[in-house]
Amino acid sequence: QSALTQPASVSGSPGQSITISCTGTSSDVSNPDFVCWYQQHPGKAPKLMIFDVTNRPSGVSNRFSGSKSGNTASLTISGLQAEDEADYYCTSYRLDRPLFGPGTKVTVL
Amino acid sequence: QVQLQQSGPGLVKPSETLSLTCTVSGFIVTTVHCWGWIRQSPGTGLEWIGTVCHSGGPYYNSSLRSRVSMSIDPSKNQFSLDLRSLTAADTAVYYCARATYTSFDFWGQGAQVTVSS
Repeated sequence: QSALTQPASVSGSPGQSITISCTGTSSDVSNPDFVCWYQQHPGKAPKLMIFDVTNRPSGVSNRFSGSKSGNTASLTISGLQAEDEADYYCTSYRLDRPLFGPGTKVTVL
Repeated sequence: QVQLQQSGPGLVKPSETLSLTCTVSGFIVTTVHCWGWIRQSPGTGLEWIGTVCHSGGPYYNSSLRSRVSMSIDPSKNQFSLDLRSLTAADTAVYYCARATYTSFDFWGQGAQVTVSS
C-alpha cells in the first residue's frame, strides 16, 4: 500500500494532452523537490522520464513535462502518441527512502 | 552509454538466500553515484529494496533490513544483492539501477525470481 496516490487509469486520443496526478503528504511530495516519474512498457524496465519535479533526462521527448503544486505532483503528456501507452509511476522520498506510487495506466484511444 | 546486466537464479526455494549480481558497463561503479535494487510484484507494485554507495551506506528499506545485504565489487565493476530467508512473498521481478541523489536513471533488464519448493 503506497502512501502516494495516483489515478488507476487515464486515457486520451492521439494528439491530445493528458495529465497524471500524484498526491502525497507534506513529508514527501511537497518537500523536498525530489519527485520523479517513470514510464514502463509491459515486460520492460521502468524508464526515467522526469526528475526533480520538472527536469527531463537527455533523450526524453519534450512532450513530457512535470510540475508540482502543494502536495500534488503532475506529469503532462502533450501530443499523445500510441507509443506513450504504458504505466507511469511517480516517486518521492519519505524519511530519506524512495517511495513509489501505485502507477497509472495510460491508454491511447 | 551506461548499461546494467543482471544475473542470478530464477527459482529459489523457501528459506534459502537469493543472490543477484548487476554488472555495469560504460561507467565505473566507484564514482560518485550509488547503486540500487528495486523489485516489482503484482501485489505490491514497485518497492525499493536498498541502495549501496562506494562512499557510504548501504541504505535498506526498513521492512527488509533484517534480511538484506548489498555490496560493490570494484574489481568486476559489479554490485550485488543478497536476500535471506525467502518466502513466497519475495516472488517478484528484481531490478538493479544506477541511483542519483533523487532518482534511478539507468536500469537493468529485470530478473523474474520465483520462490517455490
